[in-house]
Amino acid sequence: EPEVTQTPSHQVTQMGQEVILRCVPISNHLYFYWYRQILGQKVEFLVSFYNNEISEKSEIFDDQFSVERPDGSNFTLKIRSTKLEDSAMYFCASMKGEQYFGPGTRLTVT
Amino acid sequence: GIQVEQSPPDLILQEGANSTLRCNFSDSVNNLQWFHQNPWGQLINLFYIPSGTKQNGRLSATTVATERYSLLYISSSQTTDSGVYFCAVAEKTSYDKVIFGPGTSLSVIP
Repeated sequence: EPEVTQTPSHQVTQMGQEVILRCVPISNHLYFYWYRQILGQKVEFLVSFYNNEISEKSEIFDDQFSVERPDGSNFTLKIRSTKLEDSAMYFCASMKGEQYFGPGTRLTVT
Repeated sequence: GIQVEQSPPDLILQEGANSTLRCNFSDSVNNLQWFHQNPWGQLINLFYIPSGTKQNGRLSATTVATERYSLLYISSSQTTDSGVYFCAVAEKTSYDKVIFGPGTSLSVIP
């Protein structure tokens, strides 16, 4: 069964560094999403991507964040200058009807 | 934007008991899904159910879209059912933004 994959599973970075989180959505899906979940809290929408452009973003998704689909398969989330409060689990999802989530990348900013 | 509420926030069950989890939403929706977040943090699709009733083994779900709620039934609970159950909705006019409820944390004890 096709699945969404994410790499790395865990990333540790120092405050101020740039990180890129990678996702490979399910190949025939049209909508792509990034979410984050701070430990013990609910899953928060960050951004949706359709037809090679951002279709919706939340107030969390400020200028520090960007998304790209650099080729036909990968979907990336970049955080330009990480802060301590960016520490969270980041989930990628793709959708055709229903959403399918990847296993997440745990980002730890020290 | 659409508001999503879930109840109860926490639930402790004896193994073998049944339970009903509720999701209320404030506006018409395109898409409603139930997810189980297991203790390892993975988000597992349970149901894609914008309306109607579905069953999958010991779990079933019903969405009454006109009354803006959905119910998740767990029968004969097992310890492996422990975790957090989220409902997530997309607004009627768009697939672009999917909002998660705060979750119900379920603990099933032997």
